[in-house]
Amino acid sequence: EPEVTQTPSHQVTQMGQEVILRCVPISNHLYFYWYRQILGQKVEFLVSFYNNEISEKSEIFDDQFSVERPDGSNFTLKIRSTKLEDSAMYFCASRGAGNEQFFGPGTRLTVL
Amino acid sequence: GESVGLHLPTLSVQEGDNSIINCAYSNSASDYFIWYKQESGKGPQFIIDIRSNMDKRQGQRVTVLLNKTVKHLSLQIAATQPGDSAVYFCAENGGFLGAQKLVFGQGTRLTINP
Repeated sequence: EPEVTQTPSHQVTQMGQEVILRCVPISNHLYFYWYRQILGQKVEFLVSFYNNEISEKSEIFDDQFSVERPDGSNFTLKIRSTKLEDSAMYFCASRGAGNEQFFGPGTRLTVL
Repeated sequence: GESVGLHLPTLSVQEGDNSIINCAYSNSASDYFIWYKQESGKGPQFIIDIRSNMDKRQGQRVTVLLNKTVKHLSLQIAATQPGDSAVYFCAENGGFLGAQKLVFGQGTRLTINP
């Protein structure tokens, strides 16, 4: 069964450093998403991406965040200068023609 | 603004019993709702969805009920099994032009006792 994959599973970084979280969506999907989940809290929408551009973004997704689909398979989330409060689980999701979004296993980002 | 919330943060049931997890939403314009299951260390996993033109939808051991009058959503799990232990989130499918961002509720932790 096709699945969304994410790397790394755990990323530790120093405050102020740049991080890139990587995702490989399901191959025939067209819609891509990033969500985050701070420990013990609900999952929060960050950004949606379709046709090589951002469709919608939340207030969380400020100028420090960017997304890119550099090739036909990868979808990345970059945080330019990490802050302590960026520590969270980051989930990538993808969707095909239907409504169901398929989530990856997540990347745990720890900012020290 | 739009929000999706849950009535109870934790729920414990005996194995084999039925469980009901509740959710309230505030956006009366919402037209699509989803229940997700999240096991420890994993991403949300789709369980079942329902459109606003329906009151009830059944899957394998799961049933979702939608009451639009009181803006309430519930997930019923029949004959619970140890593998049902997880956090359950309701979500509203919002966004525009089909972009469909998900707005998640706080989550209910379901524990199945042997």
